[in-house]
Amino acid sequence: GQQLNQSPQSMFIQEGEDVSMNCTSSSIFNTWLWYKQEPGEGPVLLIALYKAGELTSNGRLTAQFGITRKDSFLNISASIPSDVGIYFCAGQLIDTDKLIFGTGTRLQVFP
Amino acid sequence: GAVVSQHPSRVICKSGTSVKIECRSLDFQATTMFWYRQFPKKSLMLMATSNEGSKATYEQGVEKDKFLINHASLTLSTLTVTSAHPEDSSFYICSAREPHQPQHFGDGTRLSIL
Repeated sequence: GQQLNQSPQSMFIQEGEDVSMNCTSSSIFNTWLWYKQEPGEGPVLLIALYKAGELTSNGRLTAQFGITRKDSFLNISASIPSDVGIYFCAGQLIDTDKLIFGTGTRLQVFP
Repeated sequence: GAVVSQHPSRVICKSGTSVKIECRSLDFQATTMFWYRQFPKKSLMLMATSNEGSKATYEQGVEKDKFLINHASLTLSTLTVTSAHPEDSSFYICSAREPHQPQHFGDGTRLSIL
């Protein structure tokens, strides 16, 4: 099935550092979503973006909907150990309910 | 708000048996529910989209007779893996959404077929 290009694939950082990850696509999306998944659990919604250029924050997390509608990034500031997990972007195509998921970014935070 | 409950969380059964997984939206009415499959260290792959009261729409390559989906009410969808075999072992995750709202996911079901 179709997937989005998400990078980096994995990150190993020290507590307190900032993190940045992004997703790109050849398709135009009308919604971008960012989820976090921990082992053995389902994804949890972090941020939803609905308009091109939109910049939205949720605590230490900030995400933006790219102007071209083909990309999005997620930043995490001042990372802490509980930020560990896999982060997925997901784009919703125009005129459909379906989400296309990114390949995921595995984040490890060391104290 | 927007809580999705999935049950059971884990199933281990013999080859040839059928397994039913339930997905419930606890505090909202889900006009659409989705079923995904996830392999280890991989992303989520959509299997089918389910609208209340109508037949599910399956993604290409997903056998509808193998993976039976029922969405009988606005708060419940079920996935039945019929005559399961070891290659059906996987992590199955459902999601649900109200109109114009993002999808919210259940905690997944780990299916192991011996």
